[in-house]
Amino acid sequence: KNQVEQSPQSLIILEGKNCTLQCNYTVSPFSNLRWYKQDTGRGPVSLTIMTFSENTKSNGRYTATLDADTKQSSLHITASQLSDSASYICVVSAIGGSYIPTFGRGTSLIVHP
Amino acid sequence: EAGVAQSPRYKIIEKRQSVAFWCNPISGHATLYWYQQILGQGPKLLIQFQNNGVVDDSQLPKDRFSAERLKGVDSTLKIQPAKLEDSAVYLCASSLDPQSYEQYFGPGTRLTVT
Repeated sequence: KNQVEQSPQSLIILEGKNCTLQCNYTVSPFSNLRWYKQDTGRGPVSLTIMTFSENTKSNGRYTATLDADTKQSSLHITASQLSDSASYICVVSAIGGSYIPTFGRGTSLIVHP
Repeated sequence: EAGVAQSPRYKIIEKRQSVAFWCNPISGHATLYWYQQILGQGPKLLIQFQNNGVVDDSQLPKDRFSAERLKGVDSTLKIQPAKLEDSAVYLCASSLDPQSYEQYFGPGTRLTVT
């Protein structure tokens, strides 16, 4: 069964600090992995997309890594800002069929001043 | 480029009533998704359309939920009759095609069933 597990479930950090969110998956055969940011009351917005051949992808202060061998990904946020407070969702899609994505439950990040 | 539009943004109904949600995807996007997101959880795919055909509806509770995408553009999701456990945010997303890595989400409709 395809699964995506995220950790931690929630995280509280001070403004300006760095943090790393984890995503482990069992989706196979792997097609791509996406990280989304979901602000409260809004739909998810894509941060990064990585395929099998990519092991790192940056988007401003967000850097995602992918280890396809261990089936792990991380999202590193540098110099956090109050606006980073949101839920971060890891989504993994398999090759073939209808490319149905498997969503993680998300990590809730709160950045305090 | 206009994003994915959804309406209404909020809806409160009593159990056993019916409700319908509307979604207008990004122009030119052939693939449309409906997701259910219960508080504290990630989105769960309910149904995926390719143009006006259903690609996957394996997680759609068909005894009470129905969806259609006439003419391959706008889509409606209906719940009849609603149950308390249907309280959730219903997200619509679209992409160019199923293989496209990028899905664009609408703001969602928050449903409360009392």
